[in-house]
Amino acid sequence: GAGVSQSPRYKVAKRGQDVALRCDPISGHVSLFWYQQALGQGPEFLTYFQNEAQLDKSGLPSDRFFAERPEGSVSTLKIQRTQQEDSAVYLCASRRRGAGNEKLFFGSGTQLSVL
Amino acid sequence: QKEVEQNSGPLSVPEGAIASLNCTYSDRGSQSFFWYRQYSGKSPELIMSIYSNGDKEDGRFTAQLNKASQYVSLLIRDSQPSDSATYLCAVNIDYGGSQGNLIFGKGTKLSVKP
Repeated sequence: GAGVSQSPRYKVAKRGQDVALRCDPISGHVSLFWYQQALGQGPEFLTYFQNEAQLDKSGLPSDRFFAERPEGSVSTLKIQRTQQEDSAVYLCASRRRGAGNEKLFFGSGTQLSVL
Repeated sequence: QKEVEQNSGPLSVPEGAIASLNCTYSDRGSQSFFWYRQYSGKSPELIMSIYSNGDKEDGRFTAQLNKASQYVSLLIRDSQPSDSATYLCAVNIDYGGSQGNLIFGKGTKLSVKP
């Protein structure tokens, strides 16, 4: 596609509900990142893939968070038993290669509100 | 824990002035540094990248890097109200098991007053 696509754009969940957020990166992009951005803060790293390999998941805040990219393309971030503190914008970004000196392309984000 | 530190601001400058944004980072092995701009409610967009010590200029923007001091800065000359946004410093992890990972600072909010 022309850009990084994320869905849904907005998600309202009741506390305790499971949610799944989807990211469709630019076709052919090797690297894919998930970030969590709270209001007024910078993007906080969650996890990072190169192709289907999850190279770093050290930013996932708890074992309720899980991410996958099984075929090295679309990625899903799943949050189980959502809590109010999970409310944030979840940003997905992709990069053409694995090298760090290239530009990240961001999606529009999914705004998650947990009530 | 690899860290990127920025003054959260807000930084307020008059139109036409120079805005100076600063960033420090903890990982001495990092080689790639970026400045992203984020308008309210929008996603970050890349405005500058820098990889070697010294200055890099692009239009009204100048990025400065000092690896010995682990310091990156962004200067915006002739600031315009349209430059009002949050500026995010990002540092790449260039070695080890997480090579290629990109860590962001919390951002500095810039306000340019007409």
